[in-house]
Amino acid sequence: GDSVTQMEGPVTLSEEAFLTINCTYTATGYPSLFWYVQYPGEGLQLLLKATKADDKGSNKGFEATYRKETTSFHLEKGSVQVSDSAVYFCALAPGGSYIPTFGRGTSLIVHP
Amino acid sequence: SQTIHQWPATLVQPVGSPLSLECTVEGTSNPNLYWYRQAAGRGLQLLFYSVGIGQISSEVPQNLSASRPQDRQFILSSKKLLLSDSGFYLCAWSQTGTGNSPLHFGNGTRLTVT
Repeated sequence: GDSVTQMEGPVTLSEEAFLTINCTYTATGYPSLFWYVQYPGEGLQLLLKATKADDKGSNKGFEATYRKETTSFHLEKGSVQVSDSAVYFCALAPGGSYIPTFGRGTSLIVHP
Repeated sequence: SQTIHQWPATLVQPVGSPLSLECTVEGTSNPNLYWYRQAAGRGLQLLFYSVGIGQISSEVPQNLSASRPQDRQFILSSKKLLLSDSGFYLCAWSQTGTGNSPLHFGNGTRLTVT
């Protein structure tokens, strides 16, 4: 079946550091890929998405590129802020299905 | 624009008591609706999903049930809560008809069973 694997957290960075959170997936067909962010005590919010190979999703300084050859969708940001501290979830939605598969989440802690 | 409302925000219930959590969506019609639970450790567990009124699919057998009495209303219930039902419950919706549609989550209900 479909699966999403994220790097274990927590990821701890200083403000203005470069961020990478790795995400790889296993799926049949051509899924859409998503990153969600969850701030403490809140629900998940869509951060960005990509629907086909080589698409780049971007939002709020975060970027991720849909790499079909490496089945990856790594999240990056050039300069993190304290306010980026949250849990980040990678997810896929198989084509034609409305049941997404989520990774386990990666906690990001940014220190001033 | 579409909005999702979930309540209550927090709930403390004794073991053996009933549960009813409600979720409503505004600004869209015939959404797909979902209930997730997030236990300590952050992972999301899909409990139920619905593609239409009265159509409920259960992903995990347990003492919880779900109902969809109206197009944009989704209710999570239990007749008798267990300690293991404690967690953070999230309702979500997505646009019907395509797997490209992301999920939109409510702010969650923190349930503590004592």
